[in-house]
Amino acid sequence: GEDVEQSLFLSVREGDSSVINCTYTDSSSTYLYWYKQEPGAGLQLLTYIFSNMDMKQDQRLTVLLNKKDKHLSLRIADTQTGDSAIYFCAESMPGGGADGLTFGKGTHLIIQP
Amino acid sequence: DTGVSQDPRHKITKRGQNVTFRCDPISEHNRLYWYRQTLGQGPEFLTYFQNEAQLEKSRLLSDRFSAERPKGSFSTLEIQRTEQGDSAMYLCASSSREGSEAFFGQGTRLTVV
Repeated sequence: GEDVEQSLFLSVREGDSSVINCTYTDSSSTYLYWYKQEPGAGLQLLTYIFSNMDMKQDQRLTVLLNKKDKHLSLRIADTQTGDSAIYFCAESMPGGGADGLTFGKGTHLIIQP
Repeated sequence: DTGVSQDPRHKITKRGQNVTFRCDPISEHNRLYWYRQTLGQGPEFLTYFQNEAQLEKSRLLSDRFSAERPKGSFSTLEIQRTEQGDSAMYLCASSSREGSEAFFGQGTRLTVV
């Protein structure tokens, strides 16, 4: 079955870059997503990448996909206190089944002043 | 369009009572998903609809759970005879087509006492 793994915590200094990593197991994933969740809130879609892409950049966010190693990363440049949240990696499967998302357990991003 | 809307935001109920949650997806999104998120975990897929048809149910969805989407627009999730283990955040998401990004609501936090 599919499984998505993430480190539970990442601590960075304000102004530095944060790199959050994720590994997944299902090579048939079509889209890979990064969601942000602030305390007590729902999930906010940050960015996504289609499985035939290697990289996607969106302002301070850079997503890198290594399909061979099934490794996905999210880089946040110039990390700010407002970036403090839980970041979830998720993969979606092709249709013909649930077509839902499989999430990792989330990485808590902690910003040090 | 204000995004995916869920009601109520919070629900406290006594064990054994029935509860019902509502989700209003983004207009014209034909896919609607329900997820459950417990503390310290990522969201777990429960079920999804394409228009009014319920196409997939996770094994997490016991017989006490039922979901409907009668007119292909809003959806309800009912839990009968609630148990303490049902305490969680229940998230709804919608998307416009297979594999496209899913947008989440703020969730309904259920506490069973």
